Amino acid sequence: DSGVTQTPKHLITATGQRVTLRCSPRSGDLSVYWYQQSLDQGLQFLIQYYNGEERAKGNILERFSAQQFPDLHSELNLSSLELGDSALYFCASSAVARVNYNEQFFGPGTRLTVL
Amino acid sequence: GQQVMQIPQYQHVQEGEDFTTYCNSSTTLSNIQWYKQRPGGHPVFLIQLVKSGEVKKQKRLTFQFGEAKKNSSLHITATQTTDVGTYFCAGQGVSGGGADGLTFGKGTHLIIQP
Repeated sequence: DSGVTQTPKHLITATGQRVTLRCSPRSGDLSVYWYQQSLDQGLQFLIQYYNGEERAKGNILERFSAQQFPDLHSELNLSSLELGDSALYFCASSAVARVNYNEQFFGPGTRLTVL
Repeated sequence: GQQVMQIPQYQHVQEGEDFTTYCNSSTTLSNIQWYKQRPGGHPVFLIQLVKSGEVKKQKRLTFQFGEAKKNSSLHITATQTTDVGTYFCAGQGVSGGGADGLTFGKGTHLIIQP
């Protein structure tokens, strides 16, 4: 158990819909990262937040957005869903903003299926 | 943008044989991390390499970072069934701020036949 929690574990929805994925980082960790894992693209970095502020952006679509709240939990919002958005979404946390010298702890993931 | 290539994609070995996975980046890396993901699980951090030419060992696992900081390898000696899983390398480029997320390779799936 990494100490990072994600809800829900599974999510099934239809194309065009909007969903919200939730992540609670390890106690004391200020950085939260979101990743998308699919069979063809592998693990793709989406976005990072540090203490409530956006720190880095990766391959995140404009239909996706995220935020980190004062209690440090984070939400990833996916809208206008397409079949290709079906994937495993991981949240990870680390103690500081810099990835250097600092491991990331991954949550169990949310499996999103878009029908 | 930065790309990290990892080979092989799949590796079948007999239990007790050695295993190696290789990682190459299109750009110089500030550091590289290795993760293991068991089937149905989430990535778990194994190690981080920072220095040019660095070699680190964890029991049967040996990690290397190339002199040019563009490649890395993970070698497992005498594989065991508990080594089954996907091994990912993940690099961070040399850029200001150090706040970039990791760029992951596509992983090497290690399959062990008893």
